Amino acid sequence: SQQGEEDPQALSIQEGENATMNCSYKTSINNLQWYRQNSGRGLVHLILIRSNEREKHSGRLRVTLDTSKKSSSLLITASRAADTASYFCATVNAGKSTFGDGTTLTVKP
Amino acid sequence: GAVVSQHPSRVICKSGTSVKIECRSLDFQATTMFWYRQFPKKSLMLMATSNEGSKATYEQGVEKDKFLINHASLTLSTLTVTSAHPEDSSFYICSARTLTGGHEQYFGPGTRLTVT
Repeated sequence: SQQGEEDPQALSIQEGENATMNCSYKTSINNLQWYRQNSGRGLVHLILIRSNEREKHSGRLRVTLDTSKKSSSLLITASRAADTASYFCATVNAGKSTFGDGTTLTVKP
Repeated sequence: GAVVSQHPSRVICKSGTSVKIECRSLDFQATTMFWYRQFPKKSLMLMATSNEGSKATYEQGVEKDKFLINHASLTLSTLTVTSAHPEDSSFYICSARTLTGGHEQYFGPGTRLTVT
């Protein structure tokens, strides 16, 4: 299976609720990044967490990294309808990024 | 800052023709650009790494003679799909890595290729 697998594949929540997405990977990494993609568009970089970091915040986003479990999570707090998109994690090793299949998040107004 | 553009955004071509897609970093220089392919509801698959002034590095299973990559300057990389077939229809996305930055990649908006 692929490096950087997201879980769940799809998530549907109400506006105002929190959304949590998980990412697991198999090999060692330099860092891990989360991206957002609106339908039919390019990717937007959300946050980068280095292998020696455990948690990072950016606005309503919170990312954790557990290198012992080879996993990361992305938490979006107080979700908005505009957060509806696909979210991908990408592991970076030796300068090359490998993407998971993504989580499709739907936030209902 | 850190804007990457792609042209065209959409292209429809006939089977057997060649199509060129441009990827430009608008406000920064990029020695390294990446070309990805994305199937519907799927992740990005790295096709090749484009290095300015040298040959591209292709991922396993990607035909270099079919997907020609040219990184002629620090702000431009092109992907040419030669003798396109319907199975080449896909969403092609490029990204660029800054010279000074860490490991962030900035992505273009993508090009939707449809081969009829």
